[in-house]
Amino acid sequence: AQSVTQLGSHVSVSEGALVLLRCNYSSSVPPYLFWYVQYPNQGLQLLLKYTTGATLVKGINGFEAEFKKSETSFHLTKPSAHMSDAAEYFCAVSDLGSSNTGKLIFGQGTTLQVKP
Amino acid sequence: DTGVSQNPRHKITKRGQNVTFRCDPISEHNRLYWYRQTLGQGPEFLTYFQNEAQLEKSRLLSDRFSAERPKGSFSTLEIQRTEQGDSAMYLCASREGVQNEQFFGPGTRLTVL
Repeated sequence: AQSVTQLGSHVSVSEGALVLLRCNYSSSVPPYLFWYVQYPNQGLQLLLKYTTGATLVKGINGFEAEFKKSETSFHLTKPSAHMSDAAEYFCAVSDLGSSNTGKLIFGQGTTLQVKP
Repeated sequence: DTGVSQNPRHKITKRGQNVTFRCDPISEHNRLYWYRQTLGQGPEFLTYFQNEAQLEKSRLLSDRFSAERPKGSFSTLEIQRTEQGDSAMYLCASREGVQNEQFFGPGTRLTVL
């Protein structure tokens, strides 16, 4: 079975500060990993994904994440927070490596607050 | 590319009533997913379609829930005899077969009074 744990349900940073959102996963097969962002009353938008290959992946809006197999982690970072980054962030793992339905298993989410 | 659309965006109903939601995926996407998201939680998988075939259902999908995807195009999710615990955001997502990225719709927020 696959699972995702996001450490910290709320993260608060100052504008211009480093953003670090933590995600650890559990998977019995090579994982496909995703970060999504959700603004209030909206659907989810993909920030970035890791499937195979380079372990440091870059996404939209200046975000990046590094896949670390030894640590079973896929933490999301951004060097300098912007007010518009305030949102809910979800880490997810896909079962594409096993059943091939591709369904996503999500973490509980992290709310990012950006203070001026 | 018009994206994934969902209707209605909001639905308020009384306990015991039936409700139906519609999802229109991106036109060339043959895979379609339904998820449920309660307040403060991540989305949880409900069911999966490949073309018109429903290939996987979560244990969360009780017998009051039914989903269809006739002709492999749009999909509907019906909840019969709604309960207050059904109050949630219902999200639809689609993807093209060889891609691994799912595209999400804006969701339908259900409130059961």
